[in-house]
Amino acid sequence: DIQMTQSPSSLSASVGDRVTITCRASQSISNYLNWYQQKPGKAPKLLIYAASSLQSGVPSRFSGSGSGTDFTLTISSLQPEDFASYYCHQSYSSPITFGQGTRLEIK
Amino acid sequence: EVQLLESGGGLVQPGGSLRLSCAASGFIFSSHAMTWVRQAPGKGLEWVSTISGSGGSPFYADSVKGRFTISRDNSKNTLYLQMNSLRAEDTALYYCAKDRCGITSCNDWFDPWGQGTLVTVSS
Repeated sequence: DIQMTQSPSSLSASVGDRVTITCRASQSISNYLNWYQQKPGKAPKLLIYAASSLQSGVPSRFSGSGSGTDFTLTISSLQPEDFASYYCHQSYSSPITFGQGTRLEIK
Repeated sequence: EVQLLESGGGLVQPGGSLRLSCAASGFIFSSHAMTWVRQAPGKGLEWVSTISGSGGSPFYADSVKGRFTISRDNSKNTLYLQMNSLRAEDTALYYCAKDRCGITSCNDWFDPWGQGTLVTVSS
């Protein structure tokens, strides 16, 4: 199984900050890496697919990069609505796996 | 607008069974694989099962293999998850999600997700 390790597990930041979340795969997954945002009591929402493509309707302050085993999700300038949990997800091989999540909190 | 609406969750005793449904609308259902993902209270996301658009090639997480069966009725635009021999550790919010792909092996992502249906396994 491919293990997905996110870091940090939690993060405190302020509005306007630049934030980076990383996701490392236990083996190469090419660009088969996606990012989701989940707010409390809500379903996950796709932000980034295929490592670096921005999903339609997602603000351009979100960006993704990486390939192989190391990936990053960057929020260029945090907005109040960005405080949520974030998950990476690999679809390279079965079983599909998610990172353990990163909880982004207001400082 | 793509919509996914799960139903069928509830309280069930250990060893019991439950069938979840996911009614889909707003897209060509048979052209997309569909997936179940669950989230235990306060925990992260766990993939459960995926089925291709044609209904073939289902695959499962080891944690549910042999106990859960995914299926779909393309004439009704509905996805199902039959859950048998339920355990306390199956307690979770179960989401259905639309896959990008029609097949189960591709550069895939899930969008959108339904709002989930809660399954509680307890005596």
